Amino acid sequence: SSELTQDPVVSVALGQTVRITCQGDSLRNYYATWYQQKPGQAPVLVIYGKNNRPSGIPDRFSGSSSGNTASLTITGAQAEDEADYYCNSRDSSDNHVIFGGGTKLTVL
Amino acid sequence: QVQLQESGPGLVKPSETLSLTCTVSGVSISSFYWSWIRQPPGKGLEWIGYIYYSGSTNYNSSLKSRVTISVDTSKNQFSLKLTSVTAADTAMYYCSRLWGYYDSSGYYDAFDIWGQGTMVTVSS
Repeated sequence: SSELTQDPVVSVALGQTVRITCQGDSLRNYYATWYQQKPGQAPVLVIYGKNNRPSGIPDRFSGSSSGNTASLTITGAQAEDEADYYCNSRDSSDNHVIFGGGTKLTVL
Repeated sequence: QVQLQESGPGLVKPSETLSLTCTVSGVSISSFYWSWIRQPPGKGLEWIGYIYYSGSTNYNSSLKSRVTISVDTSKNQFSLKLTSVTAADTAMYYCSRLWGYYDSSGYYDAFDIWGQGTMVTVSS
């Protein structure tokens, strides 16, 4: 089965740009979807499809993809963006849902 | 707006069956796919499975032998049963809507709405 790999920890200075990546063979054929999870809360969908944001998600969040790597970019990170971020996709072999291990983003 | 609410026992004994229900409000369950996802303390998200209102299901291979997801359209609810639980099944359990959409390159889906989660501890 396929896996999605994320860096466990990423940090960014307040107001700077940060890229969180997700790697996996399934991403060659299927978009990554991105979720934000703050402590004690349920995950929230932030990016889906090629680069789409649900209503209410700030436009500083964007998504992109190249080959087997998908990226979530936060342009001008804010203190409230400090959270865990998860990518998800579909396993290309059995179409099952898969999640990356998550990235803890610290805003300095 | 669409809301999901998990309910069920917070404590289950080892070897017994974990049973949870998700009540959907604001939309008919008779459309979309509906899913269960769990998160052990301090760890990442794990997809358990999903169901369509017609009853068709898809389960995580690692849990398939112990999982049953069912739907009750008359109550606008769907449920999770996980048998023979162990301490490794201790987790926050979330129900979620799996929303499908099309774009120029095909059909995709995303978990767009989540319940607040319910913590289940497996312990004697």
